[in-house]
Amino acid sequence: EAGVVQSPRYKIIEKKQPVAFWCNPISGHNTLYWYRQNLGQGPELLIRYENEEAVDDSQLPKDRFSAERLKGVDSTLKIQPAELGDSAVYLCASSLDSLNTEAFFGQGTRLTVV
Amino acid sequence: DQQVKQNSPSLSVQEGRISILNCDYTNSMFDYFLWYKKYPAEGPTFLISISSIKDKNEDGRFTVFLNKSAKHLSLHIVPSQPGDSAVYFCAASSGRGGSSNTGKLIFGQGTTLQVKP
Repeated sequence: EAGVVQSPRYKIIEKKQPVAFWCNPISGHNTLYWYRQNLGQGPELLIRYENEEAVDDSQLPKDRFSAERLKGVDSTLKIQPAELGDSAVYLCASSLDSLNTEAFFGQGTRLTVV
Repeated sequence: DQQVKQNSPSLSVQEGRISILNCDYTNSMFDYFLWYKKYPAEGPTFLISISSIKDKNEDGRFTVFLNKSAKHLSLHIVPSQPGDSAVYFCAASSGRGGSSNTGKLIFGQGTTLQVKP
């Protein structure tokens, strides 16, 4: 069974440019998460989806970050414009539902803003 | 405010010996705890979990102990193997299995384990 797939694996952009990340969760998983992991830290939740509904986006910097999960399957996370402090690994995870907290993570997208 | 803390950034043990990774938390509402393992350039992989109604959960070489009164949990790996070398994250959530479940995992900073052959 395929795991959580993310693309791209790596991205280098100049500050003020836009960037987008894509995630394909495990088939049948209704809950999808986007986490950000800064160097030397644990992952921090940005947004959680139950199917196509964003049920927790309290940690998402809404002035520059946006996310969508059309049809309740794939999801994209966008940053516009990117800032130097956005350099991090962006992890997508999925679980059967929010009652099952054993989330399965993708390999992540390492973003470097220069 | 760091609700989940792993105070040891790194740990080095000899192959065959026991590895003990520690984790402390501050939020008494946490009722479900997980350990994830992460290799370089990969996402975290679920390892083992424990509900707050238990004080021990064992899976092969991995055992997690929970001390609710001390708000402390630990992961024991015995015997340790070189392939166990990775970053280990402790995570916690609240309200699991109930209507108040947030499905939100709060992670610690991670502990890098090195198992020497």
